[in-house]
Amino acid sequence: QKEVEQDPGPLSVPEGAIVSLNCTYSNSAFQYFMWYRQYSRKGPELLMYTYSSGNKEDGRFTAQVDKSSKYISLFIRDSQPSDSATYLCAMSAVGGGGNKLTFGTGTQLKVEL
Amino acid sequence: EAGVAQSPRYKIIEKRQSVAFWCNPISGHATLYWYQQILGQGPKLLIQFQNNGVVDDSQLPKDRFSAERLKGVDSTLKIQPAKLEDSAVYLCASSLDIRDKGTDTQYFGPGTRLTVL
Repeated sequence: QKEVEQDPGPLSVPEGAIVSLNCTYSNSAFQYFMWYRQYSRKGPELLMYTYSSGNKEDGRFTAQVDKSSKYISLFIRDSQPSDSATYLCAMSAVGGGGNKLTFGTGTQLKVEL
Repeated sequence: EAGVAQSPRYKIIEKRQSVAFWCNPISGHATLYWYQQILGQGPKLLIQFQNNGVVDDSQLPKDRFSAERLKGVDSTLKIQPAKLEDSAVYLCASSLDIRDKGTDTQYFGPGTRLTVL
């Protein structure tokens, strides 16, 4: 079993739709949860970052973490064609040299006009 | 602020040849990472440096891969000899400093796309 599981998609939605992206994980030591966005032929860029359980909102983006279920989500409201990209969840544990990210496989999102 | 720079952007080689990638992190960033991203997968950490010392190289195939970060700034990643399964994008990332922190934002470069024929 992989430490982090993510539905690879592709996911195609109309402009303005609400998008839900999800990851599950098995390592209970993970404390930091991130979402990266990766455009084609570019490096990943950090979108959202959450520590432990709870919700975090930034504009049209909301990140949720449920540690009891080992499940994290990213919601995109009013999706735009510019949101078309691959979304990667990433997680890290505390200590032990810190900051080692374990990534999901990424979900490819296409927002159509 | 300039981002993480990588070169070359693309490289095509034949199996058993050697290849090297170069990374220049964001100025002032003490921590540098090399990741391998195979098509359709998420990035996998190969090696992590704190200044010029290695923090984690547990997933680096040391029989063929090597990396160095002389003077704690630029870094090179080398593959010798290359295999077909090394075809991937090699991403370099940097962050300010991971000491005494659980995590720190990593900034990624555009990557080097390697094709091994």
